[in-house]
Amino acid sequence: NAGVTQTPKFQVLKTGQSMTLQCAQDMNHEYMSWYRQDPGMGLRLIHYSVGAGITDQGEVPNGYNVSRSTTEDFPLRLLSAAPSQTSVYFCAGGRSYNSPLHFGNGTRLTVT
Amino acid sequence: DAKTTQPNSMESNEEEPVHLPCNHSTISGTDYIHWYRQLPSQGPEYVIHGLTSNVNNRMASLAIAEDRKSSTLILHRATLRDAAVYYCILSTSGTYKYIFGTGTRLKVLA
Repeated sequence: NAGVTQTPKFQVLKTGQSMTLQCAQDMNHEYMSWYRQDPGMGLRLIHYSVGAGITDQGEVPNGYNVSRSTTEDFPLRLLSAAPSQTSVYFCAGGRSYNSPLHFGNGTRLTVT
Repeated sequence: DAKTTQPNSMESNEEEPVHLPCNHSTISGTDYIHWYRQLPSQGPEYVIHGLTSNVNNRMASLAIAEDRKSSTLILHRATLRDAAVYYCILSTSGTYKYIFGTGTRLKVLA
C-alpha cells in the first residue's frame, strides 16, 4: 500500500492562478481531510470529508474548494491563488474517528 | 469543537523519561484522545490514541486521568530523534473534525 499520496511535492503559482492539489489513498479511508501549515505554526483544517459525496468546511475554508467523487481521491482546488495561501498543505486519511490518521508527505506551495 | 491545551515547549535530557501533558476539560464521553508528532520538515505521524484506559505501544504510553479531563504522553527514554512538535487532539464520533492546535515543541538535550 502506498498510503496517502500527495502531488505535486512543490508548486509555484502567480497571484490569480488556479490549481488543484491531488490526494489519493489506497487504505480504504472513509475520512479524508486537508490541512495547511504556515511557517512555525500548527496545522489548520481546511476541508474534510466523511465519505464519497460528503464534504464539510474546517477552520479556514475560504479560497479553497473540495469534492469527493470517489473514496480514493480528495483533491483541493485553489480558485484564485493569493500570497496568503503560501503554505505547506497536508492531506490525511483515516478509517473512523477512533482510528489513527495517516498523513501524506505534503505539498509546499508558494504564491508570488 | 472539543479543544485541548498544551504547553508551548518542554525540554528533556537524553535517555530520561518525558511526560507531555494535555488538558481537555470539555471532553465528551465518547471522544478519543490522539497524540501525533511532527519531526522537522516532515508531516505529522501517529503516536498513540485511547478512550479511557491507559495505552502502551512501541513508541510511547498514554496515561488518561480518571475524569478524562487530562492526559499525559510518556516517552520512556527520550532520544535526540524524539525532538519534535507533539500534538494532542480529540476526535468526536459523528463530526470527524480533528483540530490540531499549536502543540508542544519538545527539545531533547544531549
